[in-house]
Amino acid sequence: GQSLEQPSEVTAVEGAIVQINCTYQTSGFYGLSWYQQHDGGAPTFLSYNALDGLEETGRFSSFLSRSDSYGYLLLQELQMKDSASYFCAAIRRRDNQGGKLIFGQGTELSVKP
Amino acid sequence: KAGVTQTPRYLIKTRGQQVTLSCSPISGHRSVSWYQQTPGQGLQFLFEYFSETQRNKGNFPGRFSGRQFSNSRSEMNVSTLELGDSALYLCATPEWADTQYFGPGTRLTVL
Repeated sequence: GQSLEQPSEVTAVEGAIVQINCTYQTSGFYGLSWYQQHDGGAPTFLSYNALDGLEETGRFSSFLSRSDSYGYLLLQELQMKDSASYFCAAIRRRDNQGGKLIFGQGTELSVKP
Repeated sequence: KAGVTQTPRYLIKTRGQQVTLSCSPISGHRSVSWYQQTPGQGLQFLFEYFSETQRNKGNFPGRFSGRQFSNSRSEMNVSTLELGDSALYLCATPEWADTQYFGPGTRLTVL
């Protein structure tokens, strides 16, 4: 089947660094993306890895290792506004039924002062 | 640029009724995907339409259906509503590469 595993919740303090891991098992996989969703809001795109290695976008970085079927999102210099749910999503070839994006269950990040 | 719009934003229905939700993608985009989000199941893919044709389908019962019009607007319909259909229904269009730009969603409550 298709599955992505990520921790259900993470707590960290302002200014700290937090890493949210994601392991996946999906057919037709060719990339991993990350989305942020605040309470009551829509998911918004954060980062995308088509290749192995680290992608950096400001305070956010994302990493992918295809050989380990593993990726992570790294958030640095945490701010209170980073409190939200974070989803990893496996990107699959379009010819796979069941959707091009398969989402993990989400990690709720709480940033404390 | 105008984003993805969804109407209505909130909806309350009772079991057994049917509901139609609407989504207008980013101008010029021909692809629309629909997702259901619930606390228990997370974000689940419903279907994808491209140029009025269903291109991909998730694992949902036949009560869930959709269509797309020539102006790329899409509707999804849920018939014979069940309590478990209470969810946030999101539509999305590809923004660049393989990313999705999500609309604000329709919050459906089934009583």
